Amino acid sequence: DQQVKQNSPSLSVQEGRISILNCDYTNSMFDYFLWYKKYPAEGPTFLISISSIKDKNEDGRFTVFLNKSAKHLSLHIVPSQPGDSAVYFCAAYANDYKLSFGAGTTVTVRA
Amino acid sequence: SAVISQKPSRDICQRGTSLTIQCQVDSQVTMMFWYRQQPGQSLTLIATANQGSEATYESGFVIDKFPISRPNLTFSTLTVSNMSPEDSSIYLCSVAQSGNTIYFGEGSWLTVV
Repeated sequence: DQQVKQNSPSLSVQEGRISILNCDYTNSMFDYFLWYKKYPAEGPTFLISISSIKDKNEDGRFTVFLNKSAKHLSLHIVPSQPGDSAVYFCAAYANDYKLSFGAGTTVTVRA
Repeated sequence: SAVISQKPSRDICQRGTSLTIQCQVDSQVTMMFWYRQQPGQSLTLIATANQGSEATYESGFVIDKFPISRPNLTFSTLTVSNMSPEDSSIYLCSVAQSGNTIYFGEGSWLTVV
C-alpha cells in the first residue's frame, strides 16, 4: 500500500520557467515531508522539507506548499535551470524517521 | 549536515556470494537506516540499524538475508547474503539529524551476475 504518490512520472519544462511537482499522501500521521533530488546510481540529495504544522517553506529557488486537508504537497522550482534535470522524490515520515517515498518524477529542463 | 560515506561505491558480484557494505558518518547520530532502490523503482526501507542491539527489519526483509551491524553511533554495515540477480540494486545508508532532516550516503551500486 503506497502511502506517498507522485502521479506524474515525468515533467518537461523550459529553462527559466517554473517547475511544479506534485505529491499526494494517505497517512494522516505523517509529521514531515521532504523532497529529494536524485541522479542515477547516486544517493538522494536533500532539497527542502516542511513540517505538518506549516503550509509553506521556501529556500532559494525551491518552495514547498502543503495542503493538509487535501493531503497534497507540491514543490515549485523557479527559475528552472538545466542542472535541475533529475529525478525528484517526495517522501514523508511520522514520528519514527522511517521514510515512505513516492515513485519519483523525472524532470527535464529544456534549453 | 552529516557527511555519510559508503563503501564500496559499486561492485559486480557473483550469484551465491555475500557482500558487506560499510557506512561511516562523520558525527554521532542516533537514527541510522538502510534503504534499497531496485532498478526503475523507488526507495524502500530495509531496516533501522540500532546501536547495541539487533536491527529492526521492515516487512519483506529478514536478518538472514540482510544482516546489519551497528557497533557505535558513527558506523554501520549491511551484508547482502547469498546474492541473486534480484538483489542488484543501489543500497543506501541514511541518518536522521536534528532539524528533522534525513540525509543519505552516495549509495552502493551492486550488480549480481
